[in-house]
Amino acid sequence: AQSVTQLDSQVPVFEEAPVELRCNYSSSVSVYLFWYVQYPNQGLQLLLKYLSGSTLVKGINGFEAEFNKSQTSFHLRKPSVHISDTAEYFCAVIRMDSSYKLIFGSGTRLLVRP
Amino acid sequence: DAGVIQSPRHEVTEMGQEVTLRCKPISGHDYLFWYRQTMMRGLELLIYFNNNVPIDDSGMPEDRFSAKMPNASFSTLKIQPSEPRDSAVYFCASSLSLGTTSTEAFFGQGTRLTVV
Repeated sequence: AQSVTQLDSQVPVFEEAPVELRCNYSSSVSVYLFWYVQYPNQGLQLLLKYLSGSTLVKGINGFEAEFNKSQTSFHLRKPSVHISDTAEYFCAVIRMDSSYKLIFGSGTRLLVRP
Repeated sequence: DAGVIQSPRHEVTEMGQEVTLRCKPISGHDYLFWYRQTMMRGLELLIYFNNNVPIDDSGMPEDRFSAKMPNASFSTLKIQPSEPRDSAVYFCASSLSLGTTSTEAFFGQGTRLTVV
């Protein structure tokens, strides 16, 4: 079975500070990896994805993530956050086999303070 | 394309009533997912379809829940009878086939269901 773990339920940071949101996964097969963002009362929007190739992936709004196969991690980073980055962030995986279950982690609430 | 369209955006119903949530996926997408989001459980995958065929419904909580996809442009999630614990935001998402560079699930705005 596959699972996604986001250990931090909430991450408070000050504006313009760097941030890292952690994501670890477990799977018996290779996976595709995603980060989604959810603003209040809205659906989920894709930030970035790793399918193959370079392990450092850049996404929208200045976010990036690095796939680390040995540590089964896909942490999300931003060097300088804005108030507008306050939202819920979800890590997700898809198994690279015949199934196509898109499974989400429990989410991390990023709270950016002035 | 207008994206994934869900209706209604909000639904308030009394316990015991039947509720039907609707979803129109992005044209050309062959995967469709139904999720439920609550504070306690987060985002749960209820069921997903490939080419209109249900592939995995192991996340459907009980027999009161059913989902159909009669054609490539429409899906429904039905709860009958509804209970207060079904109150949640229900999301529909669609995607192109696995393995393409376009592998990405696009989400609708969700339906906020309140059962009183």
